[in-house]
Amino acid sequence: GENVEQHPSTLSVQEGDSAVIKCTYSDSASNYFPWYKQELGKRPQLIIDIRSNVGEKKDQRIAVTLNKTAKHFSLHITETQPEDSAVYFCAARKMDSSYKLIFGSGTRLLVRP
Amino acid sequence: IAGITQAPTSQILAAGRRMTLRCTQDMRHNAMYWYRQDLGLGLRLIHYSNTAGTTGKGEVPDGYSVSRANTDDFPLTLASAVPSQTSVYFCASRDRGRGEQFFGPGTRLTVL
Repeated sequence: GENVEQHPSTLSVQEGDSAVIKCTYSDSASNYFPWYKQELGKRPQLIIDIRSNVGEKKDQRIAVTLNKTAKHFSLHITETQPEDSAVYFCAARKMDSSYKLIFGSGTRLLVRP
Repeated sequence: IAGITQAPTSQILAAGRRMTLRCTQDMRHNAMYWYRQDLGLGLRLIHYSNTAGTTGKGEVPDGYSVSRANTDDFPLTLASAVPSQTSVYFCASRDRGRGEQFFGPGTRLTVL
C-alpha cells in the first residue's frame, strides 16, 4: 500500500528565514497531496494542497512543489514568523474509491524570534 | 452545530471497558474518517465511510468498530479498551468537490 515518508522530523529556523519540508510517496497512482498544520492541542488544518497535474502552487508565503517522476513533494515557507511554529503533516491520497489519505509522520517547526 | 464536532473532549477509561467516541458533522459531507494520533507516528486511519450505510477498514482497524446510520454521525466504538489504545482520536469529513478533509477538535483518550 501507500507509504509516505516525511523529513525532517524537527526543524528550527530563525525568524525571516525559509523552511523546507520534504515528503516522498510510494504509490505512483496517488494524485492529491495536501499539507496540514497542527498547532499545539489543536486539530490539523489544511494550509495548501496540490494535484498531480500541477507542478507548483503558491499561496502568499507558502508554496508546494511536486515531482511526480521522483515521487516527492515539498512544502516551502518563506519569511517565517513565530506563528508558523507548529507541526506540519504531508499526505498522499490513494487512487481508489476510498479517497483515503496516508499521512507522513510530521515535522515540528520552531521559528526562533 | 457548525462544522464537525466530537465528544467527549477527553476521557479516562479502565481497561476492558466499552467506549463510544461520537462525531457529528453538519456540512452534508458524504465521506467521514476516524484517525488516531500518536507521538511520532502522525495520523493513522482507523476506519472510514464513503457514504451512509457503508464503512471500510483503514491502516489500524483492530479493536475498533464504526457504524454510519446517517450522513451526519460516525461513532467509533472500542469494545474492550486496552492501554495501547491510549491516543488522541480525530474524526474528519471530506468535501467531495475539493477533496479537502476537515478535522474535528479531537478526543484525548487514556486507557489505564
